[in-house]
Amino acid sequence: AQSVAQPEDQVNVAEGNPLTVKCTYSVSGNPYLFWYVQYPNRGLQFLLKYITGDNLVKGSYGFEAEFNKSQTSFHLKKPSALVSDSALYFCAVPLDNYGQNFVFGPGTRLSVLP
Amino acid sequence: GAGVSQSPSNKVTEKGKDVELRCDPISGHTALYWYRQRLGQGLEFLIYFQGNSAPDKSGLPSDRFSAERTGESVSTLTIQRTQQEDSAVYLCASSLQGTNTEAFFGQGTRLTVV
Repeated sequence: AQSVAQPEDQVNVAEGNPLTVKCTYSVSGNPYLFWYVQYPNRGLQFLLKYITGDNLVKGSYGFEAEFNKSQTSFHLKKPSALVSDSALYFCAVPLDNYGQNFVFGPGTRLSVLP
Repeated sequence: GAGVSQSPSNKVTEKGKDVELRCDPISGHTALYWYRQRLGQGLEFLIYFQGNSAPDKSGLPSDRFSAERTGESVSTLTIQRTQQEDSAVYLCASSLQGTNTEAFFGQGTRLTVV
């Protein structure tokens, strides 16, 4: 079964420092991986996805993610964190090879401290 | 519309009453999803519609929950005889047909059962 894990419930980082939010996956077939962000009292917003090609994927708001097949990881990164990046981050993978339904990780709460 | 629209944004209901939540997907999106998010927790899949195919209802937690969708337009999620454990944010999302297309989420309906 397709699944994703987010090993950290909470990540704290100082403003201006680089941030990483971790995601590992377990899929059969080609991995298609997504990151979403949820700001307080808001719905989820799509950040970026990996389908194929370059292992480094760039997305919205200066975020990027690195696909690592050998480590089955898809960590979300940003070179310099902003206080406004504080939110809940979800990694997701399609439930099946048709890619039309998703299973989400439990979420990681990122707090960027001024 | 420009995005996924959900109504109402907030709903307070008495235990035992029925509630109906509405989702207007993005025009042209054939896939529509309902998720539930309890306070501080991740997303729980409820139901998935894809075009005219039979919906995937595998996530509905009990027979008190049902959902309908007319063609590729509006969907309604109905909860009968609400219980306090139904209190959560109910999120709707839609996406284009095709593999690995990202989902666009509405702002959610916050349901409180008192």
